[in-house]
Amino acid sequence: QLQLQESGSGLVKPSQTLSLTCAVSGGSISSGGYSWSWIRQPPGKGLEWIGYIYHSGSTYYNPSLKSRVTISVDRSKNQFSLKLSSVTAADTAVYYCARVFEDCSSTSCIVGWFDPWGQGTLVTVSS
Amino acid sequence: EIVMTQSPATLSVSPGERATLSCRASQSVSSNLAWYQQKPGQAPRLLIYGASTRATGIPARFSGSGSGTEFTLTISSLQSEDFAVYYCQQYNNWLAFGQGTKVEIK
Repeated sequence: QLQLQESGSGLVKPSQTLSLTCAVSGGSISSGGYSWSWIRQPPGKGLEWIGYIYHSGSTYYNPSLKSRVTISVDRSKNQFSLKLSSVTAADTAVYYCARVFEDCSSTSCIVGWFDPWGQGTLVTVSS
Repeated sequence: EIVMTQSPATLSVSPGERATLSCRASQSVSSNLAWYQQKPGQAPRLLIYGASTRATGIPARFSGSGSGTEFTLTISSLQSEDFAVYYCQQYNNWLAFGQGTKVEIK
């Protein structure tokens, strides 16, 4: 059974860089047919997709965050990471990592739904 | 950018009753839609993908329907463990979530 676990700093100062890691267990991060994603949820609010890294290593980011986001993968450690630069209080949220399934037709595949999710980690931006 | 709008924001239902949740896309997403359940303090859990396919282990009382721009999640007979927030998510054009519907005890 695949499991994901987020880790990283829970408190980040404004203007600094948020760094999180997602450790994957029970399966290989190099398995084809999946991407690996970060999603966040500000306290009391809804879900926002941040970005994902394809199994090929290509990355795709939410246009609203693209200039500040970097997602990378370390296949030797079976984990992937998130860096979000120049953070403000608006970046305070629970950050989740998740596996993303591909949905394939006879002619093409698209990145689809999130399953499973990590338990989430709260990151607070404050001086 | 595709905007997902869920209604109502809050749905008050008695245990054993049917709950019907709606999700509307600002443009067609075909059947590329998923539903999630989130309980307080927990991560979201996948319920439905492909608009109508239940995820592994999801009870049959959960069903999804719709295509294009209009989608529905139906919980046929609400159990105590079903009171939660539900989100829809489109994956036809990038990825985007609705703002959620809270299902509360009436």
